[in-house]
Amino acid sequence: QQQVKQSPQSLIVQKGGISIINCAYENTAFDYFPWYQQFPGKGPALLIAIRPDVSEKKEGRFTISFNKSAKQFSLHIMDSQPGDSATYFCAASGTGSFGNEKLTFGTGTRLTIIP
Amino acid sequence: EPEVTQTPSHQVTQMGQEVILRCVPISNHLYFYWYRQILGQKVEFLVSFYNNEISEKSEIFDDQFSVERPDGSNFTLKIRSTKLEDSAMYFCASSVEGTSTDTQYFGPGTRLTVL
Repeated sequence: QQQVKQSPQSLIVQKGGISIINCAYENTAFDYFPWYQQFPGKGPALLIAIRPDVSEKKEGRFTISFNKSAKQFSLHIMDSQPGDSATYFCAASGTGSFGNEKLTFGTGTRLTIIP
Repeated sequence: EPEVTQTPSHQVTQMGQEVILRCVPISNHLYFYWYRQILGQKVEFLVSFYNNEISEKSEIFDDQFSVERPDGSNFTLKIRSTKLEDSAMYFCASSVEGTSTDTQYFGPGTRLTVL
C-alpha cells in the first residue's frame, strides 16, 4: 500500500515534443506529491510538487496533473529540450504519526530528448 | 544557495568492514534523512532523524546501521559490518519542518562499493 508505481521506465521524445510520465498510488494518506529530477552522478532535486486539493499545477514548461479519484498523477514537460534529459522520479509523502515524513519514490523514468 | 554536502563522494570497502558516511545538512534545517539507491533502482528511505532521535526507520535499517549527529553540523550514517548488498548510492537529505509538504533537499550522494 506504500508503493508508488511509475511508468514508463524509459522515454525518448523529440526536441520540442511533450514528455509525459505517469504515476499511481494506493495510500490515501499521501497528501503531497513531488517530482524529482536526477542527473547522472547527482542527487535528486525537487522539480515541482502538488497537493491533492488542486488538479493541476504549472511551473514554466512543467505541469503536474492530479486525479484524486483515480489516485494518479502525471508530469508533463512541454517543448522538451535536450537539457531535460535526466531520470525523473515521482514521489509521495503523507501526514503520519512520525513527524518527519519520508518520501516514497516511484521507480524512475529515464527521459532522453533527441534533437 | 545553501546545499547539502556529503563526504566522501566514493567509498570502497571490504565486506565486514565498518564505514561512516558523512553529511552536512543545510544549516537552518532540523530534520534529516538517509536514503539509498541501488544502481538502476528507485530511491529508498532508510531513516529519519530529529532532535537527536530516530523518528522512523525502514526495514532496511537493521542493527548494522546507526545514525548520529555528533556536533552541530554533521549527520552521519554508520554501517557496522558491510555486506555486498550494501553497495549503493547513499543520499542524505534535510528539511526545515519535517512535514509531509516540506521540501527535502538532497546531497550529491556517496557511492559505497563493498568488495
